[in-house]
Amino acid sequence: DVKVTQSSRYLVKRTGEKVFLECVQDMDHENMFWYRQDPGLGLRLIYFSYDVKMKEKGDIPEGYSVSREKKERFSLILESASTNQTSMYLCASSLRLAGGYTGELFFGEGSRLTVL
Amino acid sequence: AQKITQTQPGMFVQEKEAVTLDCTYDTSDPSYGLFWYKQPSSGEMIFLIYQGSYDQQNATEGRYSLNFQKARKSANLVISASQLGDSAMYFCAMSGGYNKLIFGAGTRLAVHP
Repeated sequence: DVKVTQSSRYLVKRTGEKVFLECVQDMDHENMFWYRQDPGLGLRLIYFSYDVKMKEKGDIPEGYSVSREKKERFSLILESASTNQTSMYLCASSLRLAGGYTGELFFGEGSRLTVL
Repeated sequence: AQKITQTQPGMFVQEKEAVTLDCTYDTSDPSYGLFWYKQPSSGEMIFLIYQGSYDQQNATEGRYSLNFQKARKSANLVISASQLGDSAMYFCAMSGGYNKLIFGAGTRLAVHP
């Protein structure tokens, strides 16, 4: 079974703190994604990566950065956490299909971040 | 730019009846994929069904079918014979642009006994 593991299910941080959210997948998938999920807004793409050291901005990259030094690991970094970054963060991975299109996403269990 | 729209924030259905969850999309890409995911209250995201833009037939997976109308840019999910365990959030998604997958806002389905 594909497994996508997020390092923390629940985090509480203070405004201005640097926050690291880690994600590891064990299926050798090329693509990895970070989404945030907020009620009424669905899942919004923050960043994605299609290869080691490669990253692309999603729809809401402001205030976030990412790192992909190894194929299996994709980290989301909040340089200076703010209260409007309180949310559920979902990591996902997928195969890269012919033509560059994305296969089925496999999700982690999510990390609920609260910024006080 | 690609866009996914789910216009029904909430739906309810009686157990054993069929229900249709709406999804419309917008893309200029000639090749794309459409997905539906289920998210129960436990929070996990469960893949339900996939439709490729060039697929001639509507996708089906057990009680789930995808009513794909390419000219209308719609990809509605039909759940037949609803069960109490179908109560969940349902998200429509589209692979648009290189490696990107975007989601709609979701529809919360409640199945009543």
